Amino acid sequence: LAKTTQPISMDSYEGQEVNITCSHNNIATNDYITWYQQFPSQGPRFIIQGYKTKVTNEVASLFIPADRKSSTLSLPRVSLSDTAVYYCLVAPSGGSYIPTFGRGTSLIVHP
Amino acid sequence: DSGVTQTPKHLITATGQRVTLRCSPRSGDLSVYWYQQSLDQGLQFLIQYYNGEERAKGNILERFSAQQFPDLHSELNLSSLELGDSALYFCASSAVQGLNTGELFFGEGSRLTVL
Repeated sequence: LAKTTQPISMDSYEGQEVNITCSHNNIATNDYITWYQQFPSQGPRFIIQGYKTKVTNEVASLFIPADRKSSTLSLPRVSLSDTAVYYCLVAPSGGSYIPTFGRGTSLIVHP
Repeated sequence: DSGVTQTPKHLITATGQRVTLRCSPRSGDLSVYWYQQSLDQGLQFLIQYYNGEERAKGNILERFSAQQFPDLHSELNLSSLELGDSALYFCASSAVQGLNTGELFFGEGSRLTVL
């Protein structure tokens, strides 16, 4: 399984764009990249998933360069309610896979 | 609302006791995962069931056991409880056995406090 590395914590201010980068150097051809968000005392929640290039939904954008060795979760114009832990997961297709969450990135949005 | 229901939400008990945590997956989801989250350990995978059968085991202690019933709900049994077992226990479900492009849906968790 591809190992992921992401910053332990980040700080931002309301209204700013936040980019959280995840490194996954040994990503396999069939791996997908998935991001989850977890608020305090709640279960993680799926945000976005992608394979290559760019994916956008109502919550975030996910940028994946051509070599796919990293990915960047972009949160536009964050608010205080975006304060959460963000997890990057790399999921292989086919067979059984157990989602491993690691420590994630703790994002704190300041007023 | 993820559609995954966990009970109880909070549980306080003493060392040496036994508790059972219950999880009802989203309607139609066959896979159930249990995770433990403590302050110093992050989100740790414990065990997975698929359609009533155990599929994968993670860092689950021998004092812990789980099962998935024919109606697909699952229970996590924790026995001989220790102070270090205090944590949030999450259940998650998915439609498929392994996550390919599918997503995992988490419940709100059961907070266990062992005194």
